[in-house]
Amino acid sequence: EPEVTQTPSHQVTQMGQEVILRCVPISNHLYFYWYRQILGQKVEFLVSFYNNEISEKSEIFDDQFSVERPDGSNFTLKIRSTKLEDSAMYFCASNKRLDYRGTGELFFGEGSRLTVL
Amino acid sequence: KNQVEQSPQSLIILEGKNCTLQCNYTVSPFSNLRWYKQDTGRGPVSLTIMTFSENTKSNGRYTATLDADTKQSSLHITASQLSDSASYICVVSAATSGTYKYIFGTGTRLKVLA
Repeated sequence: EPEVTQTPSHQVTQMGQEVILRCVPISNHLYFYWYRQILGQKVEFLVSFYNNEISEKSEIFDDQFSVERPDGSNFTLKIRSTKLEDSAMYFCASNKRLDYRGTGELFFGEGSRLTVL
Repeated sequence: KNQVEQSPQSLIILEGKNCTLQCNYTVSPFSNLRWYKQDTGRGPVSLTIMTFSENTKSNGRYTATLDADTKQSSLHITASQLSDSASYICVVSAATSGTYKYIFGTGTRLKVLA
């Protein structure tokens, strides 16, 4: 069964360092998302990406965040200068299409746990 | 403001028992409602997706209901198993400007005991 894959599974970094989280969405999917989940809290939307550009972003997704689809398969989230509060699980998700009912299946990766010290 | 509230926050039941989880939402314009299961430290996995016109949908021992008038949904788990121990997340999708926004609930943490 096709799946969304994320690397690394866990990254530990020092405050102020740059971090890149990588995702390989399912190959024929068109819409890509990043979410984060702080330990014990709910999943929060960061950004959605379609047709090689950001389609929507949340207040959390400030100037220190960026996304890129550098080739036909990878979808990356970069955090330029990490802060302690960036420690969280980051989930990548993708779906194939958005039908008129918006019921396209949304598939999540297993997550990348980021720990900022 | 678009919000999704879930109850209870946590629940402990004995193996073999049934349980029902609740989801109330204030999301507009409503597109669809999804229930996800999230094992600890893992990504959410879809259980059901329901649109406005669907009242109930089943996936094995999981049955979701939707009342679009009262903006409530429930997830009923029948004959619970130890592997059902997880967080269950209600996600409501809103259609905005040709795209869809997913609003996540806080989840219900279910623990099934032997």
